[in-house]
Amino acid sequence: DSGVTQTPKHLITATGQRVTLRCSPRSGDLSVYWYQQSLDQGLQFLIQYYNGEERAKGNILERFSAQQFPDLHSELNLSSLELGDSALYFCASSAWTHSEAFFGQGTRLTVV
Amino acid sequence: DQQVKQNSPSLSVQEGRISILNCDYTNSMFDYFLWYKKYPAEGPTFLISISSIKDKNEDGRFTVFLNKSAKHLSLHIVPSQPGDSAVYFCAAGRSRGNQFYFGTGTSLTVIP
Repeated sequence: DSGVTQTPKHLITATGQRVTLRCSPRSGDLSVYWYQQSLDQGLQFLIQYYNGEERAKGNILERFSAQQFPDLHSELNLSSLELGDSALYFCASSAWTHSEAFFGQGTRLTVV
Repeated sequence: DQQVKQNSPSLSVQEGRISILNCDYTNSMFDYFLWYKKYPAEGPTFLISISSIKDKNEDGRFTVFLNKSAKHLSLHIVPSQPGDSAVYFCAAGRSRGNQFYFGTGTSLTVIP
């Protein structure tokens, strides 16, 4: 158990819909990262927050947004969903911005 | 642009033999490298890391080698065990940066 909790574990939704993925980092970790893993793809970095502030942005679509709340949990919002958004979405946390990250079990999103 | 590449999607090794997983990177500014292991239906788990000030780091059966001039790192597992069967991701980044770049992973199968 990495200490990082992601909910829900599975999500099936229709195209055009909006979903919210939630992540609770390890206790004390200030940094939260979101990654997307599509079929046969590596882990694509989406966005990072550190203590409530956005620190880095990767290949995140404009339809996607995220935030980190004062209690340090984070949410990834995906809107106007397309079939190609079907993927595993991982959240990871670390104590600071350049230390080893610990991953949650992921949310499997299926867009039908 | 894939800054971290794992060119072997899969590898099969006999139990007790050495497993060698390779990883190449393109950005000469990267100075911190990590390996993660991922079992099905689980998030990636941190395995071992190496800083660019070293060329080797060892942790039990796992050793990571870094060749900075070739921009290449490798993970050696000796002896390989069936429980090592998993997907291995390498990641690279700047120790003062905000994100790590992941490769696409190598699926290791250790045959009993």
